[in-house]
Amino acid sequence: GQNIDQPTEMTATEGAIVQINCTYQTSGFNGLFWYQQHAGEAPTFLSYNVLDGLEEKGRFSSFLSRSKGYSYLLLKELQMKDSASYLCVLSDSNYQLIWGAGTKLIIKP
Amino acid sequence: GAGVSQTPSNKVTEKGKYVELRCDPISGHTALYWYRQSLGQGPEFLIYFQGTGAADDSGLPNDRFFAVRPEGSVSTLKIQRTERGDSAVYLCASSLSAGTGANVLTFGAGSRLTVL
Repeated sequence: GQNIDQPTEMTATEGAIVQINCTYQTSGFNGLFWYQQHAGEAPTFLSYNVLDGLEEKGRFSSFLSRSKGYSYLLLKELQMKDSASYLCVLSDSNYQLIWGAGTKLIIKP
Repeated sequence: GAGVSQTPSNKVTEKGKYVELRCDPISGHTALYWYRQSLGQGPEFLIYFQGTGAADDSGLPNDRFFAVRPEGSVSTLKIQRTERGDSAVYLCASSLSAGTGANVLTFGAGSRLTVL
């Protein structure tokens, strides 16, 4: 079967760095996405990884290791507006999207 | 349109009533998805369309739920004999095409359904 695990909640300080981990089990793999969702709003796309390694996009970076079934989202220079849930999403062998429950990130001043 | 539009934004209904939720996707997007989301959970897949046809409806919880997309653009999610457990935010998303790796979804703001 398919499964995604990510922490339920994390807390970090404004200006700091935080890493949100995601582990998954799947029989087939066609990429991994990260989405951001502010409270009461719809998810918005952050990143997509299909090959191993680090993808950097401004303050946000996403890493993938297919052999370990592991990804992380790295947020640098945290701002208060980064307080949101971060959803790890797997694209399986049939390109179906499997959504994690999300990690609620709380930023403190 | 410029974004994904969902109506109504809020719907309060009584148990046993019929409800329709509408989604207008981004122009040119052939794939359209319906999800529902409860507080503190990730989106739960319901159904997706590629064009006019339902390519995968395996997420519909039971036969009270039905969705159509007759002209390959606007879609309507229909819920019969609503139950309190149907209360959730119903999210619609569209993408250029399903069946590809980098299939980025653009979501609407959602329709919050409350069944009393």
